[in-house]
Amino acid sequence: AQSVAQPEDQVNVAEGNPLTVKCTYSVSGNPYLFWYVQYPNRGLQFLLKYITGDNLVKGSYGFEAEFNKSQTSFHLKKPSALVSDSALYFCAVRDLSNTGKLIFGQGTTLQVKP
Amino acid sequence: DAEITQSPRHKITETGRQVTLACHQTWNHNNMFWYRQDLGHGLRLIHYSYGVQDTNKGEVSDGYSVSRSNTEDLPLTLESAASSQTSVYFCASSSNFQETQYFGPGTRLLVL
Repeated sequence: AQSVAQPEDQVNVAEGNPLTVKCTYSVSGNPYLFWYVQYPNRGLQFLLKYITGDNLVKGSYGFEAEFNKSQTSFHLKKPSALVSDSALYFCAVRDLSNTGKLIFGQGTTLQVKP
Repeated sequence: DAEITQSPRHKITETGRQVTLACHQTWNHNNMFWYRQDLGHGLRLIHYSYGVQDTNKGEVSDGYSVSRSNTEDLPLTLESAASSQTSVYFCASSSNFQETQYFGPGTRLLVL
């Protein structure tokens, strides 16, 4: 079965430090991977996706993610965290049965402290 | 600008009542999806549609129904609301399977 795991419920970083939010996946074929961010009382906003090509994907707000096929990971990164990056982050993989649905991880709360 | 909207944003209802949540998108997307978000579960798929008159069940479809009479709208109906359906509901749309899904702002539903 396809699945996504976000092993950390919460990540705490100081403003200006690099941040990483971890995601691992389990799919039987080539994965389509996504990161979304959710600010309080808001919907999910698309950050970036990996379909094919370069393993380092750049997205919105200075975020990037590295696809690692051997480790089945798709970690979200940012070189220098901002307090405004504090939010709930979801990793997702597209269902390979071509329903188009997304399978989400449980989410990781990022807290950036001044 | 194209967008996806949901209404109401907040709803309180009683057990046993029928409730309909609206989703409207102006992207002209063929695919539309309904998810529910619960603590510890991320987002789970309720129903989805590939186009007008097409609807399909997701992983948590019991107690819910949808209809697709036009491209822009996919209303979600709770036939007889239950306390277990207290949740935040998100609608999403995409142009095709490979493209990004865009989400609405969500509806927070409380069933008493």
